[in-house]
Amino acid sequence: EVRLVESGGGLVQPGGSLRLSCAASGFTLSSYEMNWVRQAPGKGLEWISNISSSNMNTHYAESVKGRFTISRDNAKNSVYLQMNSLRAEDTAIYYCATGGSCINGFCDNDLYFRHWGQGTLVTVSS
Amino acid sequence: DIQMTQSPSTLSANVGDKVTLTCRASQSIRSWLAWYQQKPGKAPHLLMYKASILESGVPSRFSGSGSGTEFTLTISSLQPDDFATYYCQQYNSYPWTFGQGTKVEIK
Repeated sequence: EVRLVESGGGLVQPGGSLRLSCAASGFTLSSYEMNWVRQAPGKGLEWISNISSSNMNTHYAESVKGRFTISRDNAKNSVYLQMNSLRAEDTAIYYCATGGSCINGFCDNDLYFRHWGQGTLVTVSS
Repeated sequence: DIQMTQSPSTLSANVGDKVTLTCRASQSIRSWLAWYQQKPGKAPHLLMYKASILESGVPSRFSGSGSGTEFTLTISSLQPDDFATYYCQQYNSYPWTFGQGTKVEIK
């Protein structure tokens, strides 16, 4: 069974930093692109970042570019989101989610979010 | 960025009704569209991908159609478990973007 468990959320002051983790199990993490998606309280979903299976390519939403960094450690079956210069508008539940897969050099177009974690809440407030 | 617009924002319906949700893209996304269902306090759940392919385990009362810029999600006979918020999402080009959601509530 595929399982994604986020951790690292909490209360942080504006301008502060947090590092979120996503622990993956039940599948070969190294074969999958991974994403972070967030949801502000009472609002819709916002994709914020992803990282390729090979760790070579990353993408970011404009709202977090230059402040957030996505990374992964396939040996530890984990994906991370380093969040710096946090703002009140970054307050949200942060979900990690699987994306497309690359197996034996063949990458599919299944870039949607099939599996999701339960989310971790980040609150930015003084 | 590709803007995704869902309509209506809220839909009131009865159990057994056929309901249709609409999602429009600001430019062509071919068929690279997914639909998700989200219930309060829960993570989103994938329903449909590539506009019309039903995810494994999702009831067949859900169907999707469309390509280019106009897409629909239809529930043929609304069940109590279907009252939730539905989001469309394009994965044609970065940044991936979601619609603002359609909340399906009990009439």
